[in-house]
Amino acid sequence: EVQLVESGGGLVKPGSSLKLSCVASGFTFSSYGMHWIRQAPKKGLEWIALIYYDSSNKYYADSVKGRFTISRDNSKNTLYLEMNSLRSEDTAMYYCAKDWDYFDYWGQGVMVTVSS
Amino acid sequence: EIVLTQSPTTMAASPGEKVTLTCRASSSVSYMHWYQQRSGASPKLWIYETSKLASGVPNRFSGSGSGTSYSLTINSMETEDAATYYCQQGSSYPWTFGGGTKLELK
Repeated sequence: EVQLVESGGGLVKPGSSLKLSCVASGFTFSSYGMHWIRQAPKKGLEWIALIYYDSSNKYYADSVKGRFTISRDNSKNTLYLEMNSLRSEDTAMYYCAKDWDYFDYWGQGVMVTVSS
Repeated sequence: EIVLTQSPTTMAASPGEKVTLTCRASSSVSYMHWYQQRSGASPKLWIYETSKLASGVPNRFSGSGSGTSYSLTINSMETEDAATYYCQQGSSYPWTFGGGTKLELK
């Protein structure tokens, strides 16, 4: 059974940093691209980052480019999202999701709240 | 960036009613994918590559379309189908979602 479990969220002040993790199981993690997708409270879904299976390529939404970094450790079956210079508009549920041009499995999400 | 516009934004349907949700892309895409999100839950892949049902999706659902116009159809609305449905394109970076259609039970 495919499982994606996010962690690392919380309440932080504007301008601060946070690192999210997503532990994967039930599939060959090192063979798949992985994404981060977020959803602000009562809003729609926003794709924010993709990393290739071998970390050779990374793509970001303009809204997070230069502030967020996606990475992975295939030896630990873990995906990361390092978030710097956080803003109030980054407040959202953050999901990790599997695969390439569509997202066939999603985690349960982790909440990030940016507020003073 | 390809902008996806879903319509309607909200709708209500009675049990047994046929429902059609639409998604229009600002530029042509190869496929459209659809997700169902129930209140308080993570989104689930529902239809992929325009017309393929994800595992466990009832066959009263179907998807169709091409180019810039796509749709998701429920042949006969059931209580459990009340949810928000999002379309998504992965043909062109950045991947984008539509704003969602909230489908309620009448």
